Amino acid sequence: DADVTQTPRNRITKTGKRIMLECSQTKGHDRMYWYRQDPGLGLRLIYYSFDVKDINKGEISDGYSVSRQAQAKFSLSLESAIPNQTALYFCATSDGALGGQPQHFGDGTRLSIL
Amino acid sequence: GQQVMQIPQYQHVQEGEDFTTYCNSSTTLSNIQWYKQRPGGHPVFLIQLVKSGEVKKQKRLTFQFGEAKKNSSLHITATQTTDVGTYFCAGPRRGYSGAGSYQLTFGKGTKLSVIP
Repeated sequence: DADVTQTPRNRITKTGKRIMLECSQTKGHDRMYWYRQDPGLGLRLIYYSFDVKDINKGEISDGYSVSRQAQAKFSLSLESAIPNQTALYFCATSDGALGGQPQHFGDGTRLSIL
Repeated sequence: GQQVMQIPQYQHVQEGEDFTTYCNSSTTLSNIQWYKQRPGGHPVFLIQLVKSGEVKKQKRLTFQFGEAKKNSSLHITATQTTDVGTYFCAGPRRGYSGAGSYQLTFGKGTKLSVIP
């Protein structure tokens, strides 16, 4: 979805490095999400945010942190990357309450930790 | 906690054959969503089902929501190579942080391969 932009698209880095993945959206949605996708494991929620002042942990938040700098921007940080954080990361947005609205995904960031 | 189970994990079909993927929840769902992810792409929303027993069609795709709202299926008639990808179901669950609103729990997906 071109309205949800993730940078970088690919990143290779070393164990112990700090990494930031960025997401911006032009859809005007309040809700933003970070997911991690591993082969055979589907999409797992890392963090989500309902608005600028709201941050919530998801299913697998350990080792990650997030920042909602503005309605349109939601970044994911790995403070000290480890190899098992190698995965495909997706940012998503949605509009509306109670999780009932469709989610719109960015193109993903493929992250490799050596 | 709530789980959304999806079967099969993989399906290989000959072009022109039908395909079905099934989604089962351990709890009653208020709604269920289906997404498709093409190889190398990102998940794209297909449809949402809300009512018990609901059936919706999109061309060759038929989506059903069970009477008990705990299961759903996606059926593709006469598959084409353009149907290749991974199909995910997703259901809302209470926020992981105890928030009052609900987030989506995704099934692990069914990866469809179509042999020309």
